[in-house]
Amino acid sequence: EAQVTQNPRYLITVTGKKLTVTCSQNMNHEYMSWYRQDPGLGLRQIYYSMNVEVTDKGDVPEGYKVSRKEKRNFPLILESPSPNQTSLYFCASKVQTDTEAFFGQGTRLTVV
Amino acid sequence: DAKTTQPPSMDCAEGRAANLPCNHSTISGNEYVYWYRQIHSQGPQYIIHGLKNNETNEMASLIITEDRKSSTLILPHATLRDTAVYYCIVRVSNFGNEKLTFGTGTRLTIIP
Repeated sequence: EAQVTQNPRYLITVTGKKLTVTCSQNMNHEYMSWYRQDPGLGLRQIYYSMNVEVTDKGDVPEGYKVSRKEKRNFPLILESPSPNQTSLYFCASKVQTDTEAFFGQGTRLTVV
Repeated sequence: DAKTTQPPSMDCAEGRAANLPCNHSTISGNEYVYWYRQIHSQGPQYIIHGLKNNETNEMASLIITEDRKSSTLILPHATLRDTAVYYCIVRVSNFGNEKLTFGTGTRLTIIP
């Protein structure tokens, strides 16, 4: 089954403790992206990747890092999480322009 | 970037057609209209997209006006499982970043 898998689905952590949210897709998609969703602000893009070893900033990259060492994986790294990074995070992948994007089920992160 | 305007909420009786409008009066000639939906904080799900002609798939129909300044998503026989937030998006492309800019969407409630 074609899917984008995020882990964990829920995470509560403390300020400053490094964490990684994993994202994996099984569709051989070149393009992957991370979004965060906050009430009243919609989904905002954090980072994206056009292919292996090619990543770039989206609209809200501050406080986040990503890597793309393999085509299927695109982890989101928070080196020093802060409470303003409490949010619902989605990973997405797609194969080319003008086609649908597939989203993961989301990771609800709370930073206290 | 073309912006979209959608009503914040709509109700529709189960079994009836749900017609969701979207205004995108500043759309440019090569921009596509996409529709996604999000059920209860799950990952957004692609529904349909189009450029200028009407489109239909197994989920919905998309009607785009001749001047392309507005469109309507039609769910022909709405069920309770169609209750969701529906997003009308004009695709933004920035040097290969196929970013999807989600607004606040229309919250569609299907009434039994």
